[in-house]
Amino acid sequence: SAVISQKPSRDICQRGTSLTIQCQVDSQVTMMFWYRQQPGQSLTLIATANQGSEATYESGFVIDKFPISRPNLTFSTLTVSNMSPEDSSIYLCSAGDTHTEAFFGQGTRLTVV
Amino acid sequence: GDSVTQMEGPVTLSEEAFLTINCTYTATGYPSLFWYVQYPGEGLQLLLKATKADDKGSNKGFEATYRKETTSFHLEKGSVQVSDSAVYFCAIYFQGGSEKLVFGKGTKLTVNP
Repeated sequence: SAVISQKPSRDICQRGTSLTIQCQVDSQVTMMFWYRQQPGQSLTLIATANQGSEATYESGFVIDKFPISRPNLTFSTLTVSNMSPEDSSIYLCSAGDTHTEAFFGQGTRLTVV
Repeated sequence: GDSVTQMEGPVTLSEEAFLTINCTYTATGYPSLFWYVQYPGEGLQLLLKATKADDKGSNKGFEATYRKETTSFHLEKGSVQVSDSAVYFCAIYFQGGSEKLVFGKGTKLTVNP
């Protein structure tokens, strides 16, 4: 199993600012994912972070709003840019060798005021 | 597109009570089915899975059976414990379809002593 560390665990941010969330895995993994869980909603996949190339975004999510980096096989960042209150959510990192064998971090609870 | 409908919570039970959390899905074809659990302060973790019709997934006393005819994957446990208090998520994955985990909204379970 893999241990996923996510930072920060929570933050309160002003609208119009950006926040970068870090995800560190304790072993090399093939795939890393970023999810969003809005209040009262299910987890929604934002994008798959690809090592050495641009992330693959799901419908409704764009790189300008959610830039993602993955410089190596154990680390990824998600930035939430130009935040508005609608971006208040829990953001989760997931990592593993396949979609269905992935482990999840504890999440970052973001509140935008 | 693929979707998951999960019984809304919260669910509150007494210790040793019987638990059922309903989950139905909509998908083209035959996805793999999963239940994830999130204990307080921890990341999501896979509880059990089933990959084909009539398969039964089981773990920690929990069971769920892949029912193709009713497109359902209900989670059951015969006698819950206080330590089972958590949020439970049903999810599907369809290789060759959306090729991503699609989650339900989650059901919060509280077990009282």
